[in-house]
Order: sequence, then C-alpha cells, then structure tokens
Amino acid sequence: KQEVTQIPAALSVPEGENLVLNCSFTDSAIYNLQWFRQDPGKGLTSLLLIQSSQREQTSGRLNASLDKSSGRSTLYIAASQPGDSATYLCAAGSYQLTFGKGTKLSVIP
Amino acid sequence: GAGVSQSPRYKVAKRGQDVALRCDPISGHVSLFWYQQALGQGPEFLTYFQNEAQLDKSGLPSDRFFAERPEGSVSTLKIQRTQQEDSAVYLCASSSLPRGAGNQPQHFGDGTRLSIL
Repeated sequence: KQEVTQIPAALSVPEGENLVLNCSFTDSAIYNLQWFRQDPGKGLTSLLLIQSSQREQTSGRLNASLDKSSGRSTLYIAASQPGDSATYLCAAGSYQLTFGKGTKLSVIP
Repeated sequence: GAGVSQSPRYKVAKRGQDVALRCDPISGHVSLFWYQQALGQGPEFLTYFQNEAQLDKSGLPSDRFFAERPEGSVSTLKIQRTQQEDSAVYLCASSSLPRGAGNQPQHFGDGTRLSIL
C-alpha cells in the first residue's frame, strides 16, 4: 500500500526567501506525482503534475522534481510571498491519489 | 460553471440521520472522485466514477456510504445512519480523461464540511 510522508509539518519563513518542501513515497511504481495547495476552508488547487517518466515541472516561481529511485519529490518555491501562505499537499497515484498530511507554510511579511 | 461545485458547503446532522452531498463536476469531465478529509489530515480516496459507472468503491468505509452518478454528470454521496466519526470534509474532484488514458490533474471543489452531533 502506498504511503506518502511530508516533512516538515509546518514551516515559517520571511518574505523573499527561497524554500523547499519535501515529499516521500514508499511505492516507486507511481503513475504520477501531483502537488496541491489548500487554503483554509477551501478545496485543493492543483499546482504541478509530474508524470512518472518526467523529472521535473515548472510553473512560474514553482518547480517540482521527482526522483522515483529514491521515492522523493520536492517543491521549490522561489522568492516567497505572503500570498504563498497555505498548506501544500503532495499526492501519488494514477486515478486513486494517496495524499500526505501536508506542510503548512507561513510566509512572514 | 468553470469549476467543481459542491453543495451544501456546511451540513450539521444529528447522529443517526441520513445525509446527501452533491457534486457538480466540470462540464464534460469523464472522471469523478470523492475523497474524505479529516481534520489535520490529507484527503483519503473514497470512490471513483467513469461517466455513470462506479469503477472503484474500495475506499468507502462502510456500507452506510453510497455514491451514484446516474447520468454521468452530477454525483451524490449519501451517508446513512450517520455516526460522529463521519464528521469530516468531503471533497469531490473531476478530471477530463478516464483512468489509464493519460495524465490529467484532478480539479477539486471546495468541499462539504459535515458535522455530526
């Protein structure tokens, strides 16, 4: 059974700092890896999807990497802003996604 | 609408009552998913529909949970004889392709927050 772990559980950084969020998974035979953002009381917003054959995806200030051999993915956020404050979730799978518990990010002005 | 719509946004019910949660997926999306998210946890998969067919219900926690999508668009998640442990946020997601047909992101609604007293 796939298990997904996210470290740290919470992170607080000053505005402008670059940061990395970590995600690890136990079953390397994943179909894809998806990163989401969740704001309080809201649903999930898809940020990046990395197919199993890919190594990374980029969107604006976000870059996600995937290393299947080590069972790890990272989400890199450049030049963080207060509006980036949210919980970030990673999920592995094909149609049935297995989620981590998330990293709660606070960007301090 | 442009996104996935769920109703009601909040539902309070007494233990033992039946509840029904509605999901309107993005128009034309073939795949529809239901997830349950407990406080402080990531979402957990409940069930998957491809058009009107329920192809996977392995995540439904008990036979009190029932989902349907009779015309391949709107879906309803029904919980019978609710219990306190059913309190959670129920999220619906849709995707444009059927499973196995490629990689498309799942688009989520804002969820229904269910509280059982």
